[in-house]
Amino acid sequence: KAGVTQTPRYLIKTRGQQVTLSCSPISGHRSVSWYQQTPGQGLQFLFEYFSETQRNKGNFPGRFSGRQFSNSRSEMNVSTLELGDSALYLCASSSRAANTGELFFGEGSRLTVL
Amino acid sequence: SQQGEEDPQALSIQEGENATMNCSYKTSINNLQWYRQNSGRGLVHLILIRSNEREKHSGRLRVTLDTSKKSSSLLITASRAADTASYFCATVGNTGTASKLTFGTGTRLQVTL
Repeated sequence: KAGVTQTPRYLIKTRGQQVTLSCSPISGHRSVSWYQQTPGQGLQFLFEYFSETQRNKGNFPGRFSGRQFSNSRSEMNVSTLELGDSALYLCASSSRAANTGELFFGEGSRLTVL
Repeated sequence: SQQGEEDPQALSIQEGENATMNCSYKTSINNLQWYRQNSGRGLVHLILIRSNEREKHSGRLRVTLDTSKKSSSLLITASRAADTASYFCATVGNTGTASKLTFGTGTRLQVTL
């Protein structure tokens, strides 16, 4: 079974630009959540999608948005990039049926904002 | 914001020794999980302990949970160089979705030969 796939793995943007990151969950997993990891703030929850609906949202500004498609693939978008948005963005999927809270993470997309 | 703190922040031991990491959290939980992260990579789930459990084992891992003290510990026995990684505890609250994990600050473990 293929794991969680995130693309791109690395990207460099400049302030003011926008970026879209993609995540393909494990086959059969309908829940996709996103986390931001920075040295200063650690791992922070961004949002979670289930069956194309956002179920939960973390404490991030409206510049951070996401969506989920009917095949459970998810994208997150950050507009008007700031230097502080430089981070490792991690996507995780879970099996709703299991409801254990165990998440399966992708390798992440490392965003550098110059 | 982080749910809790982990200590130590960094731990360096020799291969074969045991490594113990501690995690404290702030609010009531449904379960607590431990994850491992190799440098710059994704997180890998290690073990989950529910709020009504006090101890759990998985291979060389032993996790304890004390809900009265809002703390947990992860013990890795007979450590190996391949155990070198950062370890994070993460909690799932009693309300809301089980997919929202609140992570601790992490412990960087270095296992030397």
